[in-house]
Parts: sequence; structure tokens; C-alpha cells
Amino acid sequence: QKEVEQNSGPLSVPEGAIASLNCTYSDRGSQSFFWYRQYSGKSPELIMSIYSNGDKEDGRFTAQLNKASQYVSLLIRDSQPSDSATYLCAVTPGGGNKLTFGTGTQLKVEL
Amino acid sequence: KAGVTQTPRYLIKTRGQQVTLSCSPISGHRSVSWYQQTPGQGLQFLFEYFSETQRNKGNFPGRFSGRQFSNSRSEMNVSTLELGDSALYLCASRTRGTAGELFFGEGSRLTVL
Repeated sequence: QKEVEQNSGPLSVPEGAIASLNCTYSDRGSQSFFWYRQYSGKSPELIMSIYSNGDKEDGRFTAQLNKASQYVSLLIRDSQPSDSATYLCAVTPGGGNKLTFGTGTQLKVEL
Repeated sequence: KAGVTQTPRYLIKTRGQQVTLSCSPISGHRSVSWYQQTPGQGLQFLFEYFSETQRNKGNFPGRFSGRQFSNSRSEMNVSTLELGDSALYLCASRTRGTAGELFFGEGSRLTVL
């Protein structure tokens, strides 16, 4: 079982819709959770972090964490073509600082 | 504030050669991590350095090594290159206490022929 799992996609949504990206992790002791966005040919950039159960909103982005289900998600409201990118879920395991990434979900926002 | 700088950006080597990649972190960041990114495996952690000490190491063979200097600049070295080492090597820096909040450089694209 991979430490961090994501559906590779592509996930296609129409412009203006809500995009929902999901991630599961295997280490129940994981403490910190992150979403990175990576445009084609570019390096990853941090867009959201979440540390406790529940929702965290930042503009059009909402991160959701459910530690009991070992599940973290990212919602993008009013999706724009500029949101088309690969979204990487990342987790720090319990007791360590090493950041482990999922393989990413490719999002395509269509006009 | 200048971002993370990696050099060289692109390089081509042949099997058996060795390569050294360089990374200058954001000013004030003392932690530097290295990742290998390939289409099939995604981002895989190589190692992390903090204040010139290796703090974490991923599951890579001993051919992959690194170091950090007193000015926080870091280098990674891959010896006896194999075709499978072709990848984008990303360096990231962070401040202490923000384990997952990494700032990535543009990467060094290595092609092994």
C-alpha cells in the first residue's frame, strides 16, 4: 500500500464548477497535510496546509481533513482554466519531518 | 526575496558518469530537501539537511549523496549514473518548524544516455 494515494485522473470539470480532489494516507499517526499545485513544466507550489480535522478555507480553495478515515480532500470552487494543473497531496508521517507526496491528480478545467 | 536557485537547469550525462547538482535556498532557510521526480514514481524524497547535518534519508542507493555547507547551500551527487536516474531533481527549502511548507526550485533536469 502506498503511503499517500491519489487518483491520477485526469479529472475534467467545466469552468465555474467545483473540482473535488481526494487523497488517502496509510500512516494513522500522520500529523500535517498539504496540497501542492504543479503546472506542466514547473515546480510544485504550496497552496494549502491543514493540521486538524475539519475544513480550512482560503479563497476559492477548501481543504478537508478526516483523520479517522485517513482522508484529505481539496475543493476548488468556481474552477478556472488557470486551475488546470496537477495537484499533489503531501503528508508528514507521525514522528518525522519527511514530506511524502502522492503521485498527483491532473485537473483539467474546460471552457 | 530571491527564491530557491538550482543549477544547472539541464544536463546530459552518459551511464557510469557522476553528476553534482547545486541548490541555494531562500535566504534565512536552513533546511534543504532534495526530491526526485519521474513520471512513473512521482516525487520521491532523497534527503534533507539542516544546519549541515543530514536529518532524513529516503530509500535510495548509496550512489545518491548530498551535503550542506555553512551558508545553507546544498549539493547532491549521483555517482555511477544509470539510465533510470534520468529525472527532474528538485530542491526545496523551508524554515524550521514548518515541516511541510516547502519552497521548491525550478529543478535540474538530468538525462542519462
